[in-house]
Amino acid sequence: QKEVEQDPGPLSVPEGAIVSLNCTYSNSAFQYFMWYRQYSRKGPELLMYTYSSGNKEDGRFTAQVDKSSKYISLFIRDSQPSDSATYLCAMSAGSSASKIIFGSGTRLSIRP
Amino acid sequence: NAGVTQTPKFQVLKTGQSMTLQCAQDMNHNSMYWYRQDPGMGLRLIYYSASEGTTDKGEVPNGYNVSRLNKREFSLRLESAAPSQTSVYFCASSIGGGQPQHFGDGTRLSIL
Repeated sequence: QKEVEQDPGPLSVPEGAIVSLNCTYSNSAFQYFMWYRQYSRKGPELLMYTYSSGNKEDGRFTAQVDKSSKYISLFIRDSQPSDSATYLCAMSAGSSASKIIFGSGTRLSIRP
Repeated sequence: NAGVTQTPKFQVLKTGQSMTLQCAQDMNHNSMYWYRQDPGMGLRLIYYSASEGTTDKGEVPNGYNVSRLNKREFSLRLESAAPSQTSVYFCASSIGGGQPQHFGDGTRLSIL
């Protein structure tokens, strides 16, 4: 069983919809959580970073961490075709990048 | 401002050949990383350099070597390429030693 599980999709939603992307994990020591966006044939870009539990909001994006359920989510409000990409979750127990575990990504498509 | 630049973008090698992947960043970041991305497996850390003059192994270092030439440049060398090293390689950087913040657009490497 992988430490970090992420549904590969593809997930297709109409423009303007609220998108929910999720990851589950098995290591209860994880306390740093990240979301990256990766456009086709490009490198990932860091979208959101949260420490421990709770919510963090940045524009149309909200990251949510539920440590009791070992579950993290990324919500995208008012989704746009430009949000079509693969979204990677990542997490670690410590602050060093050497300990970060990445999910395999969910491919998202926003239909105009 | 170029960010993280990787060369080459594509390469085909024969088994047993050697090559060096180049990476340079112009953001004055201290830490640099090399990842590989394979279908269904997420990003995996090969090597990282927390600061100029230091390098450390990541999750999958076998078959690779690295050099932190200066603060800007971090190269990855395959001494004797194997088909299992066919992958997309990403270089990344960050200000400190935490999560990678900026990625290059990758080198697509195929080993026959």
